[in-house]
Amino acid sequence: KAGVTQTPRYLIKTRGQQVTLSCSPISGHRSVSWYQQTPGQGLQFLFEYFSETQRNKGNFPGRFSGRQFSNSRSEMNVSTLELGDSALYLCASSLGVSDEAFFGQGTRLTVV
Amino acid sequence: QQQVKQSPQSLIVQKGGIPIINCAYENTAFDYFPWYQQFPGKGPALLIAIRPDVSEKKEGRFTISFNKSAKQFSLHIMDSQPGDSATYFCAVKPDSSYKLIFGSGTRLLVRP
Repeated sequence: KAGVTQTPRYLIKTRGQQVTLSCSPISGHRSVSWYQQTPGQGLQFLFEYFSETQRNKGNFPGRFSGRQFSNSRSEMNVSTLELGDSALYLCASSLGVSDEAFFGQGTRLTVV
Repeated sequence: QQQVKQSPQSLIVQKGGIPIINCAYENTAFDYFPWYQQFPGKGPALLIAIRPDVSEKKEGRFTISFNKSAKQFSLHIMDSQPGDSATYFCAVKPDSSYKLIFGSGTRLLVRP
């Protein structure tokens, strides 16, 4: 069974640009959550989706957005990139709300 | 608002030692307490998890001890090996949510 797949693995963007990251959950999982990991702030929750609906959003500015498609794949978008957005962005999928969350390898975003 | 406090920040033990990592949480509305292991360049991998109806869970060399009244839980690694050198994160999950709230992480080094 394939794990959570995140693409691309690495990205370098310039300040002011926008970026879209993709996450394919484990087959059969309908929930996808996104996290930002930085050395200073640790692992911080961005948002969670279930059946194409955003159920919860973390304390991030509106430049961070996401969506989930009918096949449970998810994308997150960051607009008007800032240097501080440089981070490892992680996606996790779950079968149900009482089940384990499995993480992908992450997308390493560097903003220059 | 830091809902999960993890300690220590770093830990060095000799091979065969028993490192112990502690987490304390502030809210009683959590129903799931996982530990994740993360190697450099990888996403967090679920190690072991516990629910509040039990006080201890053991899987292989890894044990979670859970104290509901004290709002604390800890990870013990028996017979630690150099391959266990990684960063460990505790997390809590509110009931009816996919969101994980992570501790700040503990960097473990197991010396040969």
